[in-house]
Amino acid sequence: GENVGLHLPTLSVQEGDNSIINCAYSNSASDYFIWYKQESGKGPQFIIDIRSNMDKRQGQRVTVLLNKTVKHLSLQIAATQPGDSAVYFCAESTGANSKLTFGKGITLSVRP
Amino acid sequence: NAGVTQTPKFQVLKTGQSMTLQCAQDMNHEYMSWYRQDPGMGLRLIHYSVGAGITDQGEVPNGYNVSRSTTEDFPLRLLSAAPSQTSVYFCASRRTSGTQYFGPGTRLLVL
Repeated sequence: GENVGLHLPTLSVQEGDNSIINCAYSNSASDYFIWYKQESGKGPQFIIDIRSNMDKRQGQRVTVLLNKTVKHLSLQIAATQPGDSAVYFCAESTGANSKLTFGKGITLSVRP
Repeated sequence: NAGVTQTPKFQVLKTGQSMTLQCAQDMNHEYMSWYRQDPGMGLRLIHYSVGAGITDQGEVPNGYNVSRSTTEDFPLRLLSAAPSQTSVYFCASRRTSGTQYFGPGTRLLVL
């Protein structure tokens, strides 16, 4: 079946370094992708999204890259800070009215 | 705007008891959803609604009922709670083609 998954369950980075979180998806019809951040005890918080007609989108300290050829999505966080420590989820959908399908999540741990 | 609100924050039930998890949003979003989150399982869709009066099943609907009588509210009902329903429940809403926003969650323990 179609699924969205993450390559690594945990990622540990040094404070100040850049972080890259990867996500693979298998539904070639997916046209909308989104990254969420979830801090302990809280609901998922929107970070950034991208539509399939784009390869790259930048926000504040974050960049999402989409490679449709290999069905790969990545989230880059510049100058990682302790406040970036959280679980990150990628999600995808097909069409504006479609349901979001979530990956299992990856934990980002920032070392001081 | 308060965004997406959920009540209660925590709940302990005995097996067989019933309860309703409340969800409300004040953003006039058409689309609302309920997810459960379990360790290692990510977020799984229980039920969703594309507008008032319209609901549909998600990935794990068994044991749960929903209704959508108004745009603002989307309650989730457990008619007879089971230990397997111990989880964290999140409600979410969005415009039809917009960003999905989540509530703070309800932590449910079924004994």
